[in-house]
Amino acid sequence: KAGVTQTPRYLIKTRGQQVTLSCSPISGHRSVSWYQQTPGQGLQFLFEYFSETQRNKGNFPGRFSGRQFSNSRSEMNVSTLELGDSALYLCASSSGTGNSPLHFGNGTRLTVT
Amino acid sequence: QKEVEQDPGPLSVPEGAIVSLNCTYSNSAFQYFMWYRQYSRKGPELLMYTYSSGNKEDGRFTAQVDKSSKYISLFIRDSQPSDSATYLCASPPGSNTGKLIFGQGTTLQVKP
Repeated sequence: KAGVTQTPRYLIKTRGQQVTLSCSPISGHRSVSWYQQTPGQGLQFLFEYFSETQRNKGNFPGRFSGRQFSNSRSEMNVSTLELGDSALYLCASSSGTGNSPLHFGNGTRLTVT
Repeated sequence: QKEVEQDPGPLSVPEGAIVSLNCTYSNSAFQYFMWYRQYSRKGPELLMYTYSSGNKEDGRFTAQVDKSSKYISLFIRDSQPSDSATYLCASPPGSNTGKLIFGQGTTLQVKP
């Protein structure tokens, strides 16, 4: 079974621009969650989508948004990029029911200059 | 106070040593606990997943949960250089959620 796939692996953007990251979950998984990982804050939860609906949301500003498609693939968008948005963005998928464990992709490394 | 506390290390041990990695948590709603291993430039990989208090063993890895003291541990026996990575503990604050609360991660180096 293929794992969670994230594209692109690396991105360099300029302050003020916007960016879209993509995530393909494990086949059959209906939940996709997004996390931001930085050396200072560690792994922080952004939001979760389940069956095309946002089910949970973390404490990030509205510049961070996402969506999920009918095939469970998900995209995350960050608008008006700030230098502090430089981070590893990780996507994780699960069945979304009960306490099913999360399986992570290898992330997209975003650098904002 | 963070909901999940973990000593960031780094922790350096010789090959073959027994490694003990620990986390404490403050939220009594935490019922399930996971350990992830993250290699450099990779995403976290699920190692262990536990619910009950007590021990769960998988090969060289043992996860231990003590809910009375809100303390979770991961033991690695016969540590290998390939175990060198960052180890993260995590817990969901409820059920039917993709939200995990992570510790800061402990960086482990196993020297040959």
